[in-house]
Amino acid sequence: DVKVTQSSRYLVKRTGEKVFLECVQDMDHENMFWYRQDPGLGLRLIYFSYDVKMKEKGDIPEGYSVSREKKERFSLILESASTNQTSMYLCASSLARADSNQPQHFGDGTRLSIL
Amino acid sequence: GESVGLHLPTLSVQEGDNSIINCAYSNSASDYFIWYKQESGKGPQFIIDIRSNMDKRQGQRVTVLLNKTVKHLSLQIAATQPGDSAVYFCAAYNNAGNMLTFGGGTRLMVKP
Repeated sequence: DVKVTQSSRYLVKRTGEKVFLECVQDMDHENMFWYRQDPGLGLRLIYFSYDVKMKEKGDIPEGYSVSREKKERFSLILESASTNQTSMYLCASSLARADSNQPQHFGDGTRLSIL
Repeated sequence: GESVGLHLPTLSVQEGDNSIINCAYSNSASDYFIWYKQESGKGPQFIIDIRSNMDKRQGQRVTVLLNKTVKHLSLQIAATQPGDSAVYFCAAYNNAGNMLTFGGGTRLMVKP
């Protein structure tokens, strides 16, 4: 089974802090994704990565950056946390195949509160 | 772009009955669809998928139906159990590659 592990289930930070959310997958997937999930807004894509050191902006990248130094690890960085970044953050990974899309597999999320 | 919508935010069914959760999508070029289940405090869990060259796919107690003519898909759960209580999302891949668009979710509540 695919295992996507997010380092923290709950996190509380203060406005202006730099926040790191970590995600690790154990299935050698090429693709990794960061989403945020908010009531009434569903899942929204922040950033994704197709390969090591590669990143692409999703639908809502403002205020975030990412790092992918190793294939199995994808980090989300809040450069200067703000209260509107309080949310559930979900990491996902998927296999890359040239001929067909593959399902994304999710971690259990990090519930981040910015005070 | 793609938009994906679920028809009902909440669905309440009796234990043992069959459940049907519906979803509509906007992009006729979408070619791959996934249903996820999200239980409280957990991330979305893959249930079943279907590609556009099929109109029906069955799993264990679940069936997904795809109607490309009206851009509609449904998830059917047979003999619904209390453990099926969760929020269910449909998601569609756009034809450009790895971007998934998610519907808003339907909360399934199972009455004993």
